[in-house]
Amino acid sequence: DGGITQSPKYLFRKEGQNVTLSCEQNLNHDAMYWYRQDPGQGLRLIYYSQIVNDFQKGDIAEGYSVSREKKESFPLTVTSAQKNPTAFYLCASSIDRGDRLRYGYTFGSGTRLTVV
Amino acid sequence: EDKVVQSPLSLVVHEGDTVTLNCSYEVTNFRSLLWYKQEKKAPTFLFMLTSSGIEKKSGRLSSILDKKELFSILNITATQTGDSAVYLCAVERVKTSGSRLTFGEGTQLTVNP
Repeated sequence: DGGITQSPKYLFRKEGQNVTLSCEQNLNHDAMYWYRQDPGQGLRLIYYSQIVNDFQKGDIAEGYSVSREKKESFPLTVTSAQKNPTAFYLCASSIDRGDRLRYGYTFGSGTRLTVV
Repeated sequence: EDKVVQSPLSLVVHEGDTVTLNCSYEVTNFRSLLWYKQEKKAPTFLFMLTSSGIEKKSGRLSSILDKKELFSILNITATQTGDSAVYLCAVERVKTSGSRLTFGEGTQLTVNP
């Protein structure tokens, strides 16, 4: 079955450490996205990428970095510059043709990051 | 700046009730409006709406978009306890750098038996 896999599901980080969250999709989608969700809030866009080797800042990119070396993969690094990194991180992908009206944007199951 | 406002923010009903969730938006270069259901983890896709006045239905759920008034509603009839979740509304805009979603805060729906 096609889908988006995020790992790990839970991640604990000490202050001052960088961590990388994995996102892999086998849907053959061109576009990939990273969102952050804080308790009781909607999703906020961190970074997005429409094609390999290209990505754009979203609304809250400070303290984060990404890469898109392969179509299937869009890892997110939370750097020590991110002042409040504890949150739920969701990766998504979308297609620009075909069945997009039926499937919309597809989300992974998320990574819950806690700074200890 | 894109803006999505959902109301109410929370709602408590009894099983069998019908609920209407609201979503208003302001966005440049509108492409579509999406509804998602979120139960603790990944949002589950419900509907993508692109045209005004055309109702989309899936079982007890339905949704419609008004592009003139910049508004959408999500209806759930004969609610069940399994409908308890956060319902998220998002608008998709098109930029030269590609499409992206902006989300509202969500409506927390609780259905009591």
